[in-house]
Amino acid sequence: AQKVTQAQTEISVVEKEDVTLDCVYETRDTTYYLFWYKQPPSGELVFLIRRNSFDEQNEISGRYSWNFQKSTSSFNFTITASQVVDSAVYFCALRANTDKLIFGTGTRLQVFP
Amino acid sequence: KAGVTQTPRYLIKTRGQQVTLSCSPISGHRSVSWYQQTPGQGLQFLFEYFSETQRNKGNFPGRFSGRQFSNSRSEMNVSTLELGDSALYLCASSSGDGSTYEQYFGPGTRLTVT
Repeated sequence: AQKVTQAQTEISVVEKEDVTLDCVYETRDTTYYLFWYKQPPSGELVFLIRRNSFDEQNEISGRYSWNFQKSTSSFNFTITASQVVDSAVYFCALRANTDKLIFGTGTRLQVFP
Repeated sequence: KAGVTQTPRYLIKTRGQQVTLSCSPISGHRSVSWYQQTPGQGLQFLFEYFSETQRNKGNFPGRFSGRQFSNSRSEMNVSTLELGDSALYLCASSSGDGSTYEQYFGPGTRLTVT
């Protein structure tokens, strides 16, 4: 079975704080892809990053960074120096051998000024 | 490149009616997937179409159906609407041929069933 768990339902931080969103996944496939999406209040899911199962290199994009660890089946997302515009629901997703995305339940991030 | 478009953006229907939602993928993308998002169940996969064929299907009743046209545009239909069908319906497109794996989402159609 494939599953994505985002244990943090809601996180509140003050602007400029760093925040990490956790994602733990389950799959028996050896080839799979992990994604993070952002859903602002407007509702549209915005693609942030894709990582495949053979590439465990961490990635940094501006204030965003991702830590992929196969040993713990985790793909965590860190926002450095958070801003109010980062307020959104963030989804972690898994895709194995089909084009079907399995989403976690999402983490609502609120950044207060 | 234009993004994924969905029409209509908002819809109000009555129980028992049927509804058709439309999705136009990013130009060149041949795969279209549909998802239902509700507060209780989260984001759930409905089905995926590639080159006019249904390639994957989620665990939804037969009242939910879809199709894809030769220009890759897709429609999904829900018949005999129930109150529980109220949701945000999201369409996503991808290349579908393995050249890219990320899916790009449209703004969604918010369906309210009364």
